[in-house]
Amino acid sequence: LAKTTQPISMDSYEGQEVNITCSHNNIATNDYITWYQQFPSQGPRFIIQGYKTKVTNEVASLFIPADRKSSTLSLPRVSLSDTAVYYCLVGDLGGYNKLIFGAGTRLAVHP
Amino acid sequence: KAGVTQTPRYLIKTRGQQVTLSCSPISGHRSVSWYQQTPGQGLQFLFEYFSETQRNKGNFPGRFSGRQFSNSRSEMNVSTLELGDSALYLCASSLLSGQGSYEQYFGPGTRLTVT
Repeated sequence: LAKTTQPISMDSYEGQEVNITCSHNNIATNDYITWYQQFPSQGPRFIIQGYKTKVTNEVASLFIPADRKSSTLSLPRVSLSDTAVYYCLVGDLGGYNKLIFGAGTRLAVHP
Repeated sequence: KAGVTQTPRYLIKTRGQQVTLSCSPISGHRSVSWYQQTPGQGLQFLFEYFSETQRNKGNFPGRFSGRQFSNSRSEMNVSTLELGDSALYLCASSLLSGQGSYEQYFGPGTRLTVT
C-alpha cells in the first residue's frame, strides 16, 4: 500500500471551500484513492473514491492529476458540522478489506 | 436499513481480565473488519472475517482474536488485558471482500478502558 502524506490540521470558516491535498508519490498502477471522514467518538465514514481525473458526489469532489502522485479532496461551502478528521487512503481494491489509515487531517471550521 | 451496531458501547475492565466485543453488520453484508483506535497509534487494522473465515490479520499479538458466525455477526476477544489495550474498538462491514471498493461502513465503536 502506498504511503500517504496529508497536512496535520487545517482551519476554515463557514461557507468557504476547503481543499485538502494528499501526497502519494509511490502510488501503484492498480491503486485507488479513497477518503474517509471521522467525527469525534464515531467510526469513520466513507466520503469518496476515485482512480483518475475528477469524481464528484453529493458530499465532495476528488481531483486526481494525470500523474496520480497526489489528490485533492474538495469540500464546497463547509459548515461547522464538517469539523472532523479526514483520512486519505491509497490501495489496490483487489486485496482484502484492510484499510490502512494515516494520521489524517484535522479540519476545524469556525463561525 | 439499520447500520452497524456494536455492543457494549462502553466497558471498563481490569488488567488481566478478558473481554468480548460484539458487532452486527449491516443486513446482507458478509465482511466484517475490526480496528483499534488509540490517540498514539491512530486507527489500526486488527482482522477481517468473511463467510466465517479470517481473511487477513493485522500486526497484533495473539491475545486478540475474533470469529464470525453464520449470520455474519462477529465477536472479538482480548485476553489478559493490558493497560495499553484501552482504546476505541471499531467494527466495519462491507458487502464483499476485496471486490472493488474501499467503502466500509463503520459502527459507533466500543470504548474499552483497562484499569
